[in-house]
Amino acid sequence: NAGVTQTPKFQVLKTGQSMTLQCAQDMNHEYMSWYRQDPGMGLRLIHYSVGAGITDQGEVPNGYNVSRSTTEDFPLRLLSAAPSQTSVYFCASSYSKPVNVLTFGAGSRLTVL
Amino acid sequence: AQSVAQPEDQVNVAEGNPLTVKCTYSVSGNPYLFWYVQYPNRGLQFLLKYITGDNLVKGSYGFEAEFNKSQTSFHLKKPSALVSDSALYFCAVRDPYINDYKLSFGAGTTVTVRA
Repeated sequence: NAGVTQTPKFQVLKTGQSMTLQCAQDMNHEYMSWYRQDPGMGLRLIHYSVGAGITDQGEVPNGYNVSRSTTEDFPLRLLSAAPSQTSVYFCASSYSKPVNVLTFGAGSRLTVL
Repeated sequence: AQSVAQPEDQVNVAEGNPLTVKCTYSVSGNPYLFWYVQYPNRGLQFLLKYITGDNLVKGSYGFEAEFNKSQTSFHLKKPSALVSDSALYFCAVRDPYINDYKLSFGAGTTVTVRA
């Protein structure tokens, strides 16, 4: 089982550039989510999805877009990168019921100059 | 609103000594509580959870956690720490009465076990 696969692992962007972080899972999980991890702040939820065609905002959604066209994929788009988006991004997925134990990807480290 | 606090940024222990990582939570009802561990340059891995039932929950790698409703705590423990337990530990909470999915994570506690 591949689990949750994130690409790329590392990316450097200039302010104003756009990019997409890819996330794919092969466990048929209904729930998928994106978190960002910043020192001293733990993990903060950006966006999440409870199934194909359904997405919703988390704690820190500004500057990010998501879509869920298939059960397997949940890409995160940065439309115009800002230095404040420098972070480590984690995709996580789980079954919806009965209790969602998250499976995390290995992370994507993004630097915005 | 749901939230979780990890009052210690760092915990240092000698190998073979007991390890405790503290966590307190705030929810409106009965919580679902989780511990995750992150090794360097890796994603988070699930350690254990409390949903209902026994207040003492046993998990992976010899870890356990005790749910204390009166103190709103869910401290992670290991009787005898190993150097390989050195990692970043996260406590997380979900209030099942208000949502089915969203977890709130603490800021994390860095555990260093010295040989």
